[in-house]
Amino acid sequence: QVQLQESGPRQVGPSQTLFLTCTVSGASIGRADYYWSWIRQSPEKGLEWIGYIFFNGNTYYDPSLKSRVTISIDTAKNQFSLSLSSVTAADTAVYYCARNYGDSPNFDYWGQGILVTVSS
Amino acid sequence: QSALTQPASVSGSPGQSITISCTGTSSDIGGFDFVSWYQQHPGKAPKLIIHNVNSRPSGVSNRFSGSKSGNTASLTISGLQAEDEAVYHCSSYTNTNTHGIFGGGTRLTVL
Repeated sequence: QVQLQESGPRQVGPSQTLFLTCTVSGASIGRADYYWSWIRQSPEKGLEWIGYIFFNGNTYYDPSLKSRVTISIDTAKNQFSLSLSSVTAADTAVYYCARNYGDSPNFDYWGQGILVTVSS
Repeated sequence: QSALTQPASVSGSPGQSITISCTGTSSDIGGFDFVSWYQQHPGKAPKLIIHNVNSRPSGVSNRFSGSKSGNTASLTISGLQAEDEAVYHCSSYTNTNTHGIFGGGTRLTVL
């Protein structure tokens, strides 16, 4: 059974960096089978695909976020992480990690999500 | 790129069938067979119910089916049940500078 779990601070100050980690169990992220993504959801924008990372470190980032986003992978810990810099209130959202097959938005397993609020 | 277009809400009575549309362009839905549908209950993560236009993951009820015509994809739910009340999201691969986009979501109410 594949499971994903997000972890990290639930509140981040304006202009600071948001950092979240996704811990994966039941599947190895070091295999060339799947891509590993971050997605966020807010009432204003709905679901947004932030980006993904592949086992070899290749990444894709949404162009609107690319200048502020870094997704990294730690195959030894079976984790991947999201860093989003210079956050504003517009970055307040539920952040999900998910697994997708192929570099298309087919997300078959999701974490439960973590609400991150940007506020001082 | 703009999100895919879905109706804000649909409704139906138990036992009936409903269809939710998802309209895009030739750069996404019309150009590729990589359309997915997700069901999301309140406070929960989305759940994949259809991928590659009309394929169901293991364990998903055959009451859910997907199709595509031109730039519009559709999700049909037959034999509506109370548990189907949720928000449904579509997504598609796109050959623009983004790899994929979502629809705005459709709230299904079972009357």
